[in-house]
Amino acid sequence: IAGITQAPTSQILAAGRRMTLRCTQDMRHNAMYWYRQDLGLGLRLIHYSNTAGTTGKGEVPDGYSVSRANTDDFPLTLASAVPSQTSVYFCASSDSAMDEQFFGPGTRLTVL
Amino acid sequence: GQNIDQPTEMTATEGAIVQINCTYQTSGFNGLFWYQQHAGEAPTFLSYNVLDGLEEKGRFSSFLSRSKGYSYLLLKELQMKDSASYLCAVVDSNYQLIWGAGTKLIIKP
Repeated sequence: IAGITQAPTSQILAAGRRMTLRCTQDMRHNAMYWYRQDLGLGLRLIHYSNTAGTTGKGEVPDGYSVSRANTDDFPLTLASAVPSQTSVYFCASSDSAMDEQFFGPGTRLTVL
Repeated sequence: GQNIDQPTEMTATEGAIVQINCTYQTSGFNGLFWYQQHAGEAPTFLSYNVLDGLEEKGRFSSFLSRSKGYSYLLLKELQMKDSASYLCAVVDSNYQLIWGAGTKLIIKP
């Protein structure tokens, strides 16, 4: 693994289904983030983690949950997907809030 | 509330210079980032300013005025590959990154 990876690359999901987006980094960064990006709205923070074992809510956390059991992994779970969660999801990591964030390639999610 | 304003779209000519502005109103300030994002790809880091003044990095420069809540990204000797969206983001008092909606830059030959 080099940098930060996300899986799946894309997914079509029926409304009401549960879905986990995976994110793994090998840079030993303390902080990790989940964003969604919608046309015209820019990047919006869903959840973040400043260090392993801790998580926090971002700007748009409703309908999403995260966990940070170790430094490398930061999965995002949609408990019961709704069409408004159709978006491109980016995971990112950084040493701290004032360091550059490195982004994964993104997951394009469509909820029907 | 917190707000970051950037123009939605700009057009420039190959070989020319373009300046992309960003104004912000945030609860505190701990630095400002510029990222580049090509269509269908992830954002990549361009610059970070925390003190007033101009930071130059090759063809790209970034300027910050904290008293005016203002930054700009200056791109010189434009190339077709510079066609992308440019995202301005501010670190607020809670050390959260607040993102602008981005400026789509179109380069014409």
